[in-house]
Amino acid sequence: DVKVTQSSRYLVKRTGEKVFLECVQDMDHENMFWYRQDPGLGLRLIYFSYDVKMKEKGDIPEGYSVSREKKERFSLILESASTNQTSMYLCASRVMGQGAIGELFFGEGSRLTVL
Amino acid sequence: AQSVTQLGSHVSVSEGALVLLRCNYSSSVPPYLFWYVQYPNQGLQLLLKYTTGATLVKGINGFEAEFKKSETSFHLTKPSAHMSDAAEYFCAVTTFEAGTALIFGKGTTLSVSS
Repeated sequence: DVKVTQSSRYLVKRTGEKVFLECVQDMDHENMFWYRQDPGLGLRLIYFSYDVKMKEKGDIPEGYSVSREKKERFSLILESASTNQTSMYLCASRVMGQGAIGELFFGEGSRLTVL
Repeated sequence: AQSVTQLGSHVSVSEGALVLLRCNYSSSVPPYLFWYVQYPNQGLQLLLKYTTGATLVKGINGFEAEFKKSETSFHLTKPSAHMSDAAEYFCAVTTFEAGTALIFGKGTTLSVSS
């Protein structure tokens, strides 16, 4: 089975701190994604990566950056956390071979609280 | 650009009743459409998807959806609800371009009462 692992299920950070959210997948998938999930807003795309060292902005990239140095790992970085970044963050991966019709495999999420 | 609208943020049904979750999409090119489910404290998992071909798509756990181009809809149904169906359901759209990210709707929470 495909496994997408997010390093932290729950984090509490202070305003202004730098935050790293790590995501690792074990199925050699080329595409990886970071979404933010908020009640009533659904999932909104922050960044995605077609392959190693490639990244594309999604719908809400402001205040975030990403890193994809290895194929299996996709990191989301909050350079200076703010209270409006309190949210659930979901990582997903997808094999490139099926193109856009491929299934997304999700991690269990990282719930970030910024105080 | 594509978009998805899910009608009704919360749907309540009785056990054994029909489940109908509504989804309408907007796309300037032929869409690929998906339904994902999220159980409490878990990530999302794929229920079913429409790409091309047969417009009635069957998925896991007895769910199905019908692609209606004329109505730009992709509603999710299940003939008889079970308590275990209580979850949040997301409709999503994308297009042919390889690597294109999925665009999700805002979600519909399904409650099932006994």
